Amino acid sequence: GDSVTQMEGPVTLSEEAFLTINCTYTATGYPSLFWYVQYPGEGLQLLLKATKADDKGSNKGFEATYRKETTSFHLEKGSVQVSDSAVYFCALGNQFYFGTGTSLTVIP
Amino acid sequence: DAGVIQSPRHEVTEMGQEVTLRCKPISGHDYLFWYRQTMMRGLELLIYFNNNVPIDDSGMPEDRFSAKMPNASFSTLKIQPSEPRDSAVYFCASSSLVGTIYSYNEQFFGPGTRLTVL
Repeated sequence: GDSVTQMEGPVTLSEEAFLTINCTYTATGYPSLFWYVQYPGEGLQLLLKATKADDKGSNKGFEATYRKETTSFHLEKGSVQVSDSAVYFCALGNQFYFGTGTSLTVIP
Repeated sequence: DAGVIQSPRHEVTEMGQEVTLRCKPISGHDYLFWYRQTMMRGLELLIYFNNNVPIDDSGMPEDRFSAKMPNASFSTLKIQPSEPRDSAVYFCASSSLVGTIYSYNEQFFGPGTRLTVL
């Protein structure tokens, strides 16, 4: 069935380091793809999305491109900040599965 | 819009007691979801509704859990009797369908209810 496979965490980076969190998917059709972020003590919120192949979603310096050829939607940020410390979830638009996400800690 | 509203934000109860969690979705959204989050199991879908009708409750752990949506602006998740292993953060989320069978719009999550069963 349709699913996503997300990089296991936790991930610890120094401030201003480059971030990549891998996400690959298996899907019939072309559902939207989402990255959600969960800050400590809060619910999930949408970080960015892409609705079709080759679309690039971006927000707050984060980017992810919907790549059909590699069935991937990797999350990237060129220079992380301490405030980016959170749990990140990759999700398919036709599924309601979130799993454990990838925990990111950015140290000063 | 105020977003998805959940109450209470924190609930501490003793084993065997009944617990009721409440959710008000975003106006106009026709899908409502209940999730449970723990460190071990991550974020698990318990049940979801479409137009107030339960569509999939296969994630409800056992008969002690029940959920209702009497109208488009209110839903409850009830646990009776509660057990210590029910301790978790419970999230409600709402969404709408894009317009095809392939995809939904993003979900909007409430702040969650942290349940502790002693």
